[in-house]
Amino acid sequence: GAVVSQHPSRVICKSGTSVKIECRSLDFQATTMFWYRQFPKKSLMLMATSNEGSKATYEQGVEKDKFLINHASLTLSTLTVTSAHPEDSSFYICSIKGVGYTFGSGTRLTVV
Amino acid sequence: GDSVTQMEGPVTLSEEAFLTINCTYTATGYPSLFWYVQYPGEGLQLLLKATKADDKGSNKGFEATYRKETTSFHLEKGSVQVSDSAVYFCALAYNTNAGKSTFGDGTTLTVKP
Repeated sequence: GAVVSQHPSRVICKSGTSVKIECRSLDFQATTMFWYRQFPKKSLMLMATSNEGSKATYEQGVEKDKFLINHASLTLSTLTVTSAHPEDSSFYICSIKGVGYTFGSGTRLTVV
Repeated sequence: GDSVTQMEGPVTLSEEAFLTINCTYTATGYPSLFWYVQYPGEGLQLLLKATKADDKGSNKGFEATYRKETTSFHLEKGSVQVSDSAVYFCALAYNTNAGKSTFGDGTTLTVKP
């Protein structure tokens, strides 16, 4: 099956800075990827659908300017948390449409 | 819209005990159903799945049967081990939009020796 690689696995950043998270499809041309966020001891909530070569589709309540998504190639989608604040601390995880149900290993973001 | 409701946790069991984690769903169509497991500090791993009514998914001693009449997909294991301690998520997704899933809130399982 397809392999989804997510990087970094953990990141700590200072409040006010921006952080970029990468989601790579290692053996599948991914026209669509999904980004999820998991709050502590909570479930995963879909944040946005990332479309190769076009704008991402955001779920209701997700700030587009806060969570910038770029899907410039068929193997890479990036999520940038801009001007991060402590409340953005969370576990972010991606998946790829059409490759069964494989998720990336996730990124633990801590904003201090 | 679609939703998944899971049995509230945490669940604490002794080793070799029988496990049941309840999951029910509401869906507008005919989704596939899944159980995922998340170990501490790690991402999601697919545990098992069922794609249509009456299908049984199984893996590593865990089982779940897709019950359309009761809209349920309960997870069971006959004899749990300490290594089964993790968070378990029930989820649904449609084959036409694979990768986009609706998750339950997760159930934390702790197995004590």
